Amino acid sequence: AQTVTQSQPEMSVQEAETVTLSCTYDTSESDYYLFWYKQPPSRQMILVIRQEAYKQQNATENRFSVNFQKAAKSFSLKISDSQLGDAAMYFCAFSGTYKYIFGTGTRLKVLA
Amino acid sequence: EAGVAQSPRYKIIEKRQSVAFWCNPISGHATLYWYQQILGQGPKLLIQFQNNGVVDDSQLPKDRFSAERLKGVDSTLKIQPAKLEDSAVYLCASSLAGGTNTGELFFGEGSRLTVL
Repeated sequence: AQTVTQSQPEMSVQEAETVTLSCTYDTSESDYYLFWYKQPPSRQMILVIRQEAYKQQNATENRFSVNFQKAAKSFSLKISDSQLGDAAMYFCAFSGTYKYIFGTGTRLKVLA
Repeated sequence: EAGVAQSPRYKIIEKRQSVAFWCNPISGHATLYWYQQILGQGPKLLIQFQNNGVVDDSQLPKDRFSAERLKGVDSTLKIQPAKLEDSAVYLCASSLAGGTNTGELFFGEGSRLTVL
């Protein structure tokens, strides 16, 4: 069975600094997708970034980038130049054949 | 483009009562998901529909939870009878992608259930 593990319940970062959120997963599938979603307080969950497992190149979206290590089954999110609006819960998600599962989340605090 | 609509936003009931949640996905989205998110935890998949057929309901407590998606559009999730541990936010999400789940999920604002 697929699992997604986020070992950091909470992280803090100073405004304008860089922070990395960790995620590991387990699967026997070779074709799958990985995602980071952001859930601001009392607001809808939205997609931050997505990575296809067959692509070796790490995905980037403006200030957000990932470090995808397929052999190690690791998928971390790096947020550069952190902003106050980045404060939220961040969920790592895995999607494979007919399964779309989420980790337990990391609460990111951004300090002014 | 309208997003995923859910109602009600909040519901408070006594244990053993029943409750129903409604979801209207984004137009054209074939896949619809119901997730349960208990405070401080990640979303847990309850049921996934592809059009009006069930793809996965392995984690749905079928003795008390039921869900349907009529005509492959709107969906309702019902709990009867409710237990204290059902207190959670029920998230509806939809996507364009089919069975291989390759796509972005679009979430509604959620329905927060409190069972007293």
